[in-house]
Amino acid sequence: EAGVAQSPRYKIIEKRQSVAFWCNPISGHATLYWYQQILGQGPKLLIQFQNNGVVDDSQLPKDRFSAERLKGVDSTLKIQPAKLEDSAVYLCASSLVEGTEQYFGPGTRLTVT
Amino acid sequence: KNQVEQSPQSLIILEGKNCTLQCNYTVSPFSNLRWYKQDTGRGPVSLTIMTFSENTKSNGRYTATLDADTKQSSLHITASQLSDSASYICVVTPISGTYKYIFGTGTRLKVLA
Repeated sequence: EAGVAQSPRYKIIEKRQSVAFWCNPISGHATLYWYQQILGQGPKLLIQFQNNGVVDDSQLPKDRFSAERLKGVDSTLKIQPAKLEDSAVYLCASSLVEGTEQYFGPGTRLTVT
Repeated sequence: KNQVEQSPQSLIILEGKNCTLQCNYTVSPFSNLRWYKQDTGRGPVSLTIMTFSENTKSNGRYTATLDADTKQSSLHITASQLSDSASYICVVTPISGTYKYIFGTGTRLKVLA
């Protein structure tokens, strides 16, 4: 069974630029999560989708971050414009349904200079 | 406030030695407590999962214990190997309608030859 795929794996941008991350969850998984993991900290949930609907985006900085999950499969997370404090690893995870085991992708390491 | 705290923050041991990582939580009641291993540059991978009624769970050289009275869990690694070098994250899922993962900040383990 293929795992959660993410791309790119690494990205370096300058502040005020835009960046987008892509996630392909495990086939058949209805729930998709985006986490931000700052160095030395545990992951922080940014947004949770159930199929193509948003379940929780309470910690998503909506002035600069946006995410979508069209057709309830792949998802993209965008930052526009980026700030220095956005430097982190962005993890995507999926689960069969809400409340079941979450499987994580390898993450995208973002460096904002 | 639901919290998960881990100690030590970092640990260095020699190959072949045993070690124990600690997790203290305030989340109550909870449905599951998980230990994840996160290699550098990778997403977290589940090692063990325990329900509130279990007090031990093993996965090869990894043994997790849970004391619901003291709200403590530990992860014991036996006969450490170089490949055990990683961050270990304790994750608690509260009993609620949201099933959110509450992450600890992790323990960074380094195993030296």
